[in-house]
Amino acid sequence: DQQVKQNSPSLSVQEGRISILNCDYTNSMFDYFLWYKKYPAEGPTFLISISSIKDKNEDGRFTVFLNKSAKHLSLHIVPSQPGDSAVYFCAASVGLQGAQKLVFGQGTRLTINP
Amino acid sequence: NAGVTQTPKFQVLKTGQSMTLQCAQDMNHNSMYWYRQDPGMGLRLIYYSASEGTTDKGEVPNGYNVSRLNKREFSLRLESAAPSQTSVYFCASSVSGNTIYFGEGSWLTVV
Repeated sequence: DQQVKQNSPSLSVQEGRISILNCDYTNSMFDYFLWYKKYPAEGPTFLISISSIKDKNEDGRFTVFLNKSAKHLSLHIVPSQPGDSAVYFCAASVGLQGAQKLVFGQGTRLTINP
Repeated sequence: NAGVTQTPKFQVLKTGQSMTLQCAQDMNHNSMYWYRQDPGMGLRLIYYSASEGTTDKGEVPNGYNVSRLNKREFSLRLESAAPSQTSVYFCASSVSGNTIYFGEGSWLTVV
């Protein structure tokens, strides 16, 4: 029972273009969503988040969109750079107080081609 | 800038052996976590500790035990390792309501 799904295992994008990573969830109790970036042999690092009271959050080249009715979120990276090549995980949690018990998707490997 | 430090980084165990993964954070975080990452599965929560003195099961706790030794340290123990526990293990920590920070991972192989 995968509550958070990333249906694209990999994505290849040309440098300078837009990268769009998608994530779907099934649990309507989730109210906080995050994207993590992971390089090989390193731990995941936090990238951007969004609360369910918003439908968009922007931070520099990164924008996360949330469509609650469709239970779908996406991460847009524009323009894409070679250093963006990594595995991206979306994650979701219920509430913000106390311990955050994140539920992760399977990850999408993004490759930025020069 | 140590952040979250976990040891060992690599370990090979024989089936039935026991071992403990150590984790320490220097950010004065209340909550600590252990996740495992398997191919095609993302990260799954094994155990977590919301605050010093408390521990709770996550999504996949079977075969593991944990100890929150103090506010800084949270260890994960495999009492009798099985090949299904071959994985990459990540320790993490957070302050309530804020970002979770992960360690660099521990690669465990059980043969």
